[in-house]
Amino acid sequence: AQSVTQLDSQVPVFEEAPVELRCNYSSSVSVYLFWYVQYPNQGLQLLLKYLSGSTLVKGINGFEAEFNKSQTSFHLRKPSVHISDTAEYFCAVSDPLYNFNKFYFGSGTKLNVKP
Amino acid sequence: DTGVSQNPRHKITKRGQNVTFRCDPISEHNRLYWYRQTLGQGPEFLTYFQNEAQLEKSRLLSDRFSAERPKGSFSTLEIQRTEQGDSAMYLCASSPPQGYNEQFFGPGTRLTVL
Repeated sequence: AQSVTQLDSQVPVFEEAPVELRCNYSSSVSVYLFWYVQYPNQGLQLLLKYLSGSTLVKGINGFEAEFNKSQTSFHLRKPSVHISDTAEYFCAVSDPLYNFNKFYFGSGTKLNVKP
Repeated sequence: DTGVSQNPRHKITKRGQNVTFRCDPISEHNRLYWYRQTLGQGPEFLTYFQNEAQLEKSRLLSDRFSAERPKGSFSTLEIQRTEQGDSAMYLCASSPPQGYNEQFFGPGTRLTVL
């Protein structure tokens, strides 16, 4: 089974500052990687995904993530955050054993953007 | 395209009662997934369907849980004899037949068992 670790449960940051949300995964095989955002009382919205190819992936709302195979990491970054980015962010890995249908999620990181 | 819809959005029930949730996936999405999310945790996989076939069930899905997708369109998740530990957000997602299994999530059904 795969597993995902999000090291920071909460990240406070001031508006217009850069932010990095960390994600590490454990897998002995190639996986697909995803970042989702969840606003209060809503479902999850896909920010970006890594399938193969370039290790730097760009997503919506100015977010990007870098896949690092040797460190089994997939950290999410944004150079300048806005108040509207306040939400919970989840990293996920899909399991090739189930034809990439089964997702494993991390426990989430709450991003709190302060004015 | 109206996205994945789930009903009801909120359900409060007493311990021991049965509850049923419905999920309508994005049209033409042949794969449908159920997840459970408890407070402070990420979603946990419960089960998934390809068309009407249930292909995988998590060990989290006890005998009290059953899911169906009778015609390969909407799906229902039933919990029998609810327990307080069943209180959670139940999320549904769907994926199209092509592509890389990107999952599109619904807004969830929040279950509270008193």
